[in-house]
Amino acid sequence: ELKVEQNPLFLSMQEGKNYTIYCNYSTTSDRLYWYRQDPGKSLESLFVLLSNGAVKQEGRLMASLDTKARLSTLHITAAVHDLSATYFCAVDRSTSGTYKYIFGTGTRLKVLA
Amino acid sequence: ETGVTQSPTHLIKTRGQQVTLRCSSQSGHNTVSWYQQALGQGPQFIFQYYREEENGRGNFPPRFSGLQFPNYSSELNVNALELDDSALYLCASSLTGRASLEQYFGPGTRLTVT
Repeated sequence: ELKVEQNPLFLSMQEGKNYTIYCNYSTTSDRLYWYRQDPGKSLESLFVLLSNGAVKQEGRLMASLDTKARLSTLHITAAVHDLSATYFCAVDRSTSGTYKYIFGTGTRLKVLA
Repeated sequence: ETGVTQSPTHLIKTRGQQVTLRCSSQSGHNTVSWYQQALGQGPQFIFQYYREEENGRGNFPPRFSGLQFPNYSSELNVNALELDDSALYLCASSLTGRASLEQYFGPGTRLTVT
């Protein structure tokens, strides 16, 4: 059974600091997604990583994928308060023709002014 | 191009009742997946519909059922509601399984069971 784990679960950081969120998954998959969720809201797509070594950047966020290590990272550079949210990674998992996402546990990020 | 829409936004039901949630897929998408997100947790896959048939199911009991219509919109039905069914229900649309690069999520329906 595919398991997706994120760490840390909670992250409180000062504005201007850098930090990395880790997403580990237990079985082979070559597609991984990062989402942001604000309280009470739906999922906002951040990054789609489609192959080993993929790296994507948008503003202060950069995501990477290492399929051999079954690891993705979401790096935050010079955090600002607006980045406070919960971040999920999701692994694309095929089971008998059904393509579903298996989500990680989420990382709740709080950026302190 | 219209995005994924869901209705209603919020719903309050009593234990034992039945509920129907609705989802309209993004234009051109023929596959709809439903997820349940309990408070403080990641979304959990309920099932997927493709060409009006269930195309895979997660670890949810049979009282969770669904439909997909010819226009690719979908319904999620939950019978005999339990308190633990209180959650945010997310619908996601995509294009034909592996051909899709991404699932697009709707705004969700917040269900509260009292």
